[in-house]
Amino acid sequence: EAGVAQSPRYKIIEKRQSVAFWCNPISGHATLYWYQQILGQGPKLLIQFQNNGVVDDSQLPKDRFSAERLKGVDSTLKIQPAKLEDSAVYLCASSLVRSQETQYFGPGTRLLVL
Amino acid sequence: KQEVTQIPAALSVPEGENLVLNCSFTDSAIYNLQWFRQDPGKGLTSLLLIQSSQREQTSGRLNASLDKSSGRSTLYIAASQPGDSATYLCAVRGNTDKLIFGTGTRLQVFP
Repeated sequence: EAGVAQSPRYKIIEKRQSVAFWCNPISGHATLYWYQQILGQGPKLLIQFQNNGVVDDSQLPKDRFSAERLKGVDSTLKIQPAKLEDSAVYLCASSLVRSQETQYFGPGTRLLVL
Repeated sequence: KQEVTQIPAALSVPEGENLVLNCSFTDSAIYNLQWFRQDPGKGLTSLLLIQSSQREQTSGRLNASLDKSSGRSTLYIAASQPGDSATYLCAVRGNTDKLIFGTGTRLQVFP
C-alpha cells in the first residue's frame, strides 16, 4: 500500500512570495489533515477535510493560508503572501475515517522563508 | 484548552538501557492517546494507539500505558538500540476530534 505523498520536499522562498504544497493521501482514505510543525514543537492542525468538505479550519490563518481538496482526493495548501514565521514543516496526513482511526503521515514539505 | 507536555525534552542513553518517556495532558476527557516516532526529515510513524478505555498497549519492545484520571501516559522502551534514536511525540484526541501534540522527546541511543 502506497503511503501519503507530498511535494515538493523542500522549498525556499522570500517573504511576501506565494507557495503551494501538494498532498496525495492513501487511496480510499476519506479524511485528510494538514499540520504545521515549527522547529522544536509538535505538529499543529491547520485544516481537516472529510472527503471534499472542511471539518475544522479553526487554526488556519485564513488571511494568508488557503486549502482545497477538490474531488475528495488530492489536496493543496497555499500561502500567499508568506511571512518569516511561516518557516516550518508542513505535514499531510490521512485516515480511513474520522475520529478513532490512526493517522498516516507523509514525509512533509520543509519551507524556509527568507 | 487541552495542553500536552512531554518530559524530558531530550534524552541520551547507552545502548541496552530500558527507558521511560513521559507525557501528561491537562484535560482527561480524551478518546485516545497515540505515540508517534519522527525521524529527521521524515514524517510521523504511529507506534501505539491507546483507546480511552484501555490501560496499555504493547508492540515488540514498546509498551505504552495510559492513566486517564491523572492525565498521564508513559512509553517504555526495553533494551534500547541505536536504531531507536528519533523524536517521540505523544498526541491526544479529545471531543473536538483534533489531535493535540506534545513537543516531543528527542532520544539518542549511543553504541
